[in-house]
Amino acid sequence: QKEVEQNSGPLSVPEGAIASLNCTYSDRGSQSFFWYRQYSGKSPELIMSIYSNGDKEDGRFTAQLNKASQYVSLLIRDSQPSDSATYLCAVSRSTLGRLYFGRGTQLTVWP
Amino acid sequence: SQTIHQWPATLVQPVGSPLSLECTVEGTSNPNLYWYRQAAGRGLQLLFYSVGIGQISSEVPQNLSASRPQDRQFILSSKKLLLSDSGFYLCAWVLIDEQYFGPGTRLTVT
Repeated sequence: QKEVEQNSGPLSVPEGAIASLNCTYSDRGSQSFFWYRQYSGKSPELIMSIYSNGDKEDGRFTAQLNKASQYVSLLIRDSQPSDSATYLCAVSRSTLGRLYFGRGTQLTVWP
Repeated sequence: SQTIHQWPATLVQPVGSPLSLECTVEGTSNPNLYWYRQAAGRGLQLLFYSVGIGQISSEVPQNLSASRPQDRQFILSSKKLLLSDSGFYLCAWVLIDEQYFGPGTRLTVT
């Protein structure tokens, strides 16, 4: 069983703060890692992908991967109320392979 | 550009009725396609995936079935719906290594 674990939250941060979302996975063969954002009532939207150890930055988002610790995180800098959503972590063994999703962390950014 | 469509957007069906949900993809050929279900307060559950016409792999052997009659069309069906089939049904496809979701169909079984 390939497990992907996330803190369910809710995680609540003030506007302008850094939100830190964490994810651990059990399959050491995982090669691809993704973060999705899902607004209430909407479908998940891909916001970050990362494949190698280290940090990957895209605007206010930074994904961090540590394969040795089987850990991937998402940092959101200068959090905005519009970032309030559920964030899903997903991992895959190979390109074009099936994804294994965590259950998501609910983030609330209050003004 | 590549887009993915799902319909209907919402559906209310009585227990025991049949179901047919459709997913179509534009702007690409021979995509890998996936059906997921997200029940209220639960995670994403992979139901079926397909790597080509007529090729379906099932992850959940319940009262649901899937078909891929055309390269860019993926259909989810049921002969008799159960209350537990209620949820948000999502179709997804893969571009290079990244998976993208359609807008979803919200199904309520009454």
